[in-house]
Parts: sequence; structure tokens; C-alpha cells
Amino acid sequence: AQSVSQHNHHVILSEAASLELGCNYSYGGTVNLFWYVQYPGQHLQLLLKYFSGDPLVKGIKGFEAEFIKSKFSFNLRKPSVQWSDTAEYFCAVNARGRRALTFGSGTRLQVQP
Amino acid sequence: EAGVAQSPRYKIIEKRQSVAFWCNPISGHATLYWYQQILGQGPKLLIQFQNNGVVDDSQLPKDRFSAERLKGVDSTLKIQPAKLEDSAVYLCASSLSTPGTSGGESYNEQFFGPGTRLTVL
Repeated sequence: AQSVSQHNHHVILSEAASLELGCNYSYGGTVNLFWYVQYPGQHLQLLLKYFSGDPLVKGIKGFEAEFIKSKFSFNLRKPSVQWSDTAEYFCAVNARGRRALTFGSGTRLQVQP
Repeated sequence: EAGVAQSPRYKIIEKRQSVAFWCNPISGHATLYWYQQILGQGPKLLIQFQNNGVVDDSQLPKDRFSAERLKGVDSTLKIQPAKLEDSAVYLCASSLSTPGTSGGESYNEQFFGPGTRLTVL
């Protein structure tokens, strides 16, 4: 069975600080990787995804993530956060051939103006 | 484009009572999912439908939970009887198709509804 670990449960940053959220997964086969974001009072929405090819993927709002296969990691980064990035961020995986997602426990990001 | 609709948004019941949640996916989306999100955790899949057939219900507690999607569109999730540990947000999501039918590495994004927050007292 696959599992996802997010090591940071709550992160507090000041505006313009750099962000890196950790995500590690456990699965023996090929996976697709995702980051979802949930802004306060809003639905879960897709931030970015990785299937294959260039391990550095870019998503919406200046976010990017790097897939490091040897470390089973898919960390989310943003060079300079804004107050509007305050949200909960979820890493998720699905095994190739399956549609359902396995989510990590989430990281709550609070950006102070 | 209308999103995934869910109702009710909030529900408070006492343990041992029954409750039902409703989901209307995005028009044309063949795949529908129900996830349970307990406070402090990520969403966990309960059941996945492809049209009106069940694809995966391995994590559904079948002694108390049931779900149906009779006409391949709307879906209902029922809990009977509810337990205290069922307090959670129940999320419905939909997507266009499953990878088995499209093949390759294509992925159809899952779109999530606002969820139903259930409190069991």
C-alpha cells in the first residue's frame, strides 16, 4: 500500500520568505505525484502535478516542486511567499493505473504580512 | 462551469443516528469519489465509482457505510448507525475518466466539492 508523509504540520513565514514543504512517499511502483492547496473557506484545488519527464515541475502562482526518485520525495517550493499563500497544502500520490489519491496529512502555512 | 455540489454543508447528529450526504458531480464526469477527512489528517478514499459501478470500496466500513450512484450521475453516501469517530468532513470529487480507459500517462484532474462537515455527538 502507498503512503505519504508530510513532515511540517504548521509553518509560519513572513512575506517574501522562501518556502519549502517536504513530502515523502512510500510505494514500490511508479507513481504520479501532486500538490493540492486549500485556501481558507475554499475547495481543494490542484496546484501542480508530476507524471514523468523533467523532475522539476511548475504550477500555478509561482509554485514549483522537484521529484527526487532516489529519495522518494516531492518537495514544494516557492522563492517568495505572499500573504495570499496562507492555506493548507496537501501532497498526494496515485499509483499508475489507479485514479484514487493517497494524501499526506497536510501542512498549514501561515504567512504574516 | 459549475463545480461539484454537495449538501448539506453541515450536519450534527447523535451517535447511533443515521445520516446521508448528497453529491452532484461536474456534468460529464464519469468518475466519482467519496473521501473522508478527519481533523488534522488528509482526505482518505472511501469509495470510487465509474459511472454507476463501484471501482474501489476497499476502505469503506461496510458494516455502517453505504454509497450508491444509481444513474451514474448523483451519488449518496449513508452512515447507519453513526459513531463518534465518524466526525469528519466528507468530500466528493469527480473526474472525466479513469486511466484504464485512456491509457498512457494522461490524468484527468479531480475536482473537489466543498464537503459536508459531520459532527457526531
